[in-house]
Amino acid sequence: GAGVSQTPSNKVTEKGKYVELRCDPISGHTALYWYRQSLGQGPEFLIYFQGTGAADDSGLPNDRFFAVRPEGSVSTLKIQRTERGDSAVYLCASSLVSGAWNNEQFFGPGTRLTVL
Amino acid sequence: AQSVTQLDSHVSVSEGTPVLLRCNYSSSYSPSLFWYVQHPNKGLQLLLKYTSAATLVKGINGFEAEFKKSETSFHLTKPSAHMSDAAEYFCVVSAGDSSYKLIFGSGTRLLVRP
Repeated sequence: GAGVSQTPSNKVTEKGKYVELRCDPISGHTALYWYRQSLGQGPEFLIYFQGTGAADDSGLPNDRFFAVRPEGSVSTLKIQRTERGDSAVYLCASSLVSGAWNNEQFFGPGTRLTVL
Repeated sequence: AQSVTQLDSHVSVSEGTPVLLRCNYSSSYSPSLFWYVQHPNKGLQLLLKYTSAATLVKGINGFEAEFKKSETSFHLTKPSAHMSDAAEYFCVVSAGDSSYKLIFGSGTRLLVRP
């Protein structure tokens, strides 16, 4: 079946611009996660959704970052006034039920964001 | 707080020889530990997970990992490397009080020489 998909696969923008990154989770998965992977590093947790609500947004680096999941399926990560330090691969994952450790997170291929 | 340290940023082996990727963890709780693999331009894939059952965990593609509490280690092994094993490998621990939150190590790049 279809896995987690993310669009665009690559995004190049200029410093100060606004960007939106989209994630389509596996159908039926209620939990959705965003991670950020900087060059040479492992992914870092940003935010976790259970259904439509953000259950934990403690990983968002500052108030320029915001994410929504209005219908409990597709999610959009929004970054305002982008900075060069935001350049990274943004990963989305989904799992069948809410955040228990024994529910495997399935990852998408990521969106590579480059801020010039 | 939970953390993992991957002791090698790069490991190079010849095809057909054993693979050892090292990981040490730190956890205030009884940890849940995972190994993920990342092939170029593909999503992270779960190889195996430890969840306080058997200390020797078998995963996909012939990989295994052994949980050693006394050494706070969770090393990944495979008896015989294949060219298709070349990828980035991440050791991961879940945050005890927020078990959905995965904490990744910095990764080990495995190179397999023909």
